[in-house]
Amino acid sequence: SYVLTQPPSVSVAPGETAIITCGGDDIGTKSVHWYHQKPGQAPVLVIHLDTGRASGIPERFSGSNSGDTATLTISRVEAGDEADYYCHVWDTGSDHGVFGGGTKLTVL
Amino acid sequence: QVQLVESGGGVVQPGGSLSLSCAASGFTFSAYPVYWIRQAPGKGLEWVTVSSVDGGYQYSADSVKGRFTVSRDTSKNTVYLHMTSLRREDTARYFCARTEARSGGSYGEADHWGQGTLVTVAS
Repeated sequence: SYVLTQPPSVSVAPGETAIITCGGDDIGTKSVHWYHQKPGQAPVLVIHLDTGRASGIPERFSGSNSGDTATLTISRVEAGDEADYYCHVWDTGSDHGVFGGGTKLTVL
Repeated sequence: QVQLVESGGGVVQPGGSLSLSCAASGFTFSAYPVYWIRQAPGKGLEWVTVSSVDGGYQYSADSVKGRFTVSRDTSKNTVYLHMTSLRREDTARYFCARTEARSGGSYGEADHWGQGTLVTVAS
């Protein structure tokens, strides 16, 4: 089955840039979506189709996808960005949805 | 606005059955597939299943295949997740989320989510 690998945690100071990776075999050939989830809340779509910002998401959030790694970049990080972030793809080989294990973003 | 509301969660014994509902509003229900996604306490997201808009077929995670099925009632704008032979490891908050069918038989992002309903499998 297809596996997506994310770092368990990323820490960054306010105003700096956070980079969250999502690794998968030839993930560049798939469409990657990103979500954030704050404690006690449902996930919220952040990035869809590799690079598209979802409605209401600030321009500080951007995505890229190439080779074996997709990346979510958050510029000028704010305290309110602190959340768990998940990547997600549809694997046509298995006809399964797949989520990464999630990355906890901590704003120092 | 798009809204999804799950219900039906509760405590069930191992080996038991439970059906969850996902009531949709604010969009053309018959045009969108719906994911079920779960999250065990303190854990990450796990994709569970998706069904076609007409309910004619579904894809499911290996962990639930043969035990969980999905049905849709277009007249009620509701999707159901029927869970049987429940195991302790099925304990989780279950979310429904709207998605789209993409080319090549794939499915897209989960663009709107419900708040989830908690299922606890325990004796």
